[in-house]
Amino acid sequence: IAGITQAPTSQILAAGRRMTLRCTQDMRHNAMYWYRQDLGLGLRLIHYSNTAGTTGKGEVPDGYSVSRANTDDFPLTLASAVPSQTSVYFCASSDILAGDQFFGPGTRLTVL
Amino acid sequence: EDKVVQSPLSLVVHEGDTVTLNCSYEVTNFRSLLWYKQEKKAPTFLFMLTSSGIEKKSGRLSSILDKKELFSILNITATQTGDSAVYLCVFISITSYGKLTFGQGTILTVHP
Repeated sequence: IAGITQAPTSQILAAGRRMTLRCTQDMRHNAMYWYRQDLGLGLRLIHYSNTAGTTGKGEVPDGYSVSRANTDDFPLTLASAVPSQTSVYFCASSDILAGDQFFGPGTRLTVL
Repeated sequence: EDKVVQSPLSLVVHEGDTVTLNCSYEVTNFRSLLWYKQEKKAPTFLFMLTSSGIEKKSGRLSSILDKKELFSILNITATQTGDSAVYLCVFISITSYGKLTFGQGTILTVHP
């Protein structure tokens, strides 16, 4: 792996289903983030983690949960998907002292 | 509430033109301002600006920050069709490492 990867690339999901978006980085960055990007609203932070074992809520956390069991992985879970969660989801990571974030390729999620 | 405003929201130019993209901000605890370029997929990092008055350059792109007047500009000279993208201005606060505040972006279209 080089950099930051996300899976799946895209997914169509029925409302009410549970879904986990995966994110893995191999840069040993302390911090990881999940964003959603919607037309006209830009990128909005869902959850973040400054270091393994800790997480924090971003701007739009409702309906989402995250875990950070180790440095490399930061999965995002939708417990019961709703159509308003249709979006493109980006995972990012950064060295917490540097600040600039590196983004994964994104996951396009459609909830019907 | 921290706020980042970009202008114009969209811009259409021809190859060879020079463009200036603007970013103004109202934020507390300023740490850094970042510029990203987003094409079809994930945003890619362009510049990080921390100090006022120091121009950062990369090829045809350059950027400068004015901390007194609370704005930054991104210049692109001799534009090419490959410069067509959304350009995002992003603020990082000192106290909230995970919480980038994104501007709404400028959509740049460069015609041949």
